[in-house]
Amino acid sequence: DAKTTQPPSMDCAEGRAANLPCNHSTISGNEYVYWYRQIHSQGPQYIIHGLKNNETNEMASLIITEDRKSSTLILPHATLRDTAVYYCIEVSNFGNEKLTFGTGTRLTIIP
Amino acid sequence: DTAVSQTPKYLVTQMGNDKSIKCEQNLGHDTMYWYKQDSKKFLKIMFSYNNKELIINETVPNRFSPKSPDKAHLNLHINSLELGDSAVYFCASSRRGGNEQFFGPGTRLTVL
Repeated sequence: DAKTTQPPSMDCAEGRAANLPCNHSTISGNEYVYWYRQIHSQGPQYIIHGLKNNETNEMASLIITEDRKSSTLILPHATLRDTAVYYCIEVSNFGNEKLTFGTGTRLTIIP
Repeated sequence: DTAVSQTPKYLVTQMGNDKSIKCEQNLGHDTMYWYKQDSKKFLKIMFSYNNKELIINETVPNRFSPKSPDKAHLNLHINSLELGDSAVYFCASSRRGGNEQFFGPGTRLTVL
């Protein structure tokens, strides 16, 4: 079972920053936080991951709290194509691990 | 160029039949996976293979048999299909030691 908790749904206005929270209070020291999203009728897509430092790539930023018990995925300028279900997943650092998906957050970008 | 491809995209069949879903990746990855997404949208791992060797088998019925002829392919064969097998099946791949998985477009299986 998934060990992370996320709000079931969120709305965000187009062009604004979308901030998606995730709680992972039982995360262990060797586990990363990974974010994936699934756009309707497509396969999941990797977004970003981090261990304890904040991370940024061309898609998003990831802010991890100092105690590592929660994190926030930030889409800086949301577009309609960002409408999707976003999943926050704990993954150990051993590599080639299975992904245990929870129910995720359904993000709707509103024009 | 499609990184992870699956065929067919849709598969409709009768109970009791045997069917296969094919997956190919052109990313040069060593590890491939099969996930099942049921009608309630829960995504669950079924199998993973690393360089043709079975690594993960998540208590999937014996009717499901993955086959990896080479590290670029991981096919899923299902015997004696049941109504509960209706779902979307996703193939994925990752490089050696990585957890960034690349998913295929999915195969929607409907068992009547």
